[in-house]
Amino acid sequence: EVQLVQSGAEVKKPGESLKISCKGSGYNFISSWIGWVRQMPGKGPEWMGIINPADSDTRYSPSFPGQVTMSVDKSINTAYLQWSSLEASDTAMYYCARQVNGGYFDVWGRGTLVTVSS
Amino acid sequence: DIVMTQSPDSLAVSLGERATINCKSSQSVLYSSNNKYYLAWYQQKPGQPPKPLIYWASTRESGVPDRFSGTGSGTDFTLTISSLQAEDVAVYYCQQYYIPPRTFGQGTRLEIK
Repeated sequence: EVQLVQSGAEVKKPGESLKISCKGSGYNFISSWIGWVRQMPGKGPEWMGIINPADSDTRYSPSFPGQVTMSVDKSINTAYLQWSSLEASDTAMYYCARQVNGGYFDVWGRGTLVTVSS
Repeated sequence: DIVMTQSPDSLAVSLGERATINCKSSQSVLYSSNNKYYLAWYQQKPGQPPKPLIYWASTRESGVPDRFSGTGSGTDFTLTISSLQAEDVAVYYCQQYYIPPRTFGQGTRLEIK
């Protein structure tokens, strides 16, 4: 079974750093790009960007300029999303998803809830 | 960015009746070299991630009931549920994956009348 397993919920203070993870299994991890999607409370999904696990090539949405960094460790089939300095506005659910068929997400993780509050 | 606009924002349909959700893209999402529309539909229930239903505008994902169908051309697309079941209550999103950023619509909330 193809799965993406995400790390657990996080509660952080403004200004703190954070790195969340997404581990793939059941398929050849380096054969498909991994995407990250933000969903703020009560809102629709927002496409943040994608990373190629084979070579760490990335494509970021202009809506998230320099705010987040995507990375991957293909030796352990894991993708990461990190922040160097969190803000309250980063409070959201973050999903990773497998990209196939030219850009469509066919498998999603269950999400990591990030709460940033002083 | 391509803007995806869904209508209506919410919809109430009786069990067994047809539900129709519309999605309009601000520019074409047709890739001329393969004649495919880069348009997907997802279903999201509370506390769950989006579940893919349809890609290439009209191809159902494996395991998706055939009461779900996708149509469209140009910049106008439709998701139809032919006979609404109780388990179809959810928020539905369209997404263009033609060019990054691969934007989503604002969502349509589907309820039982």
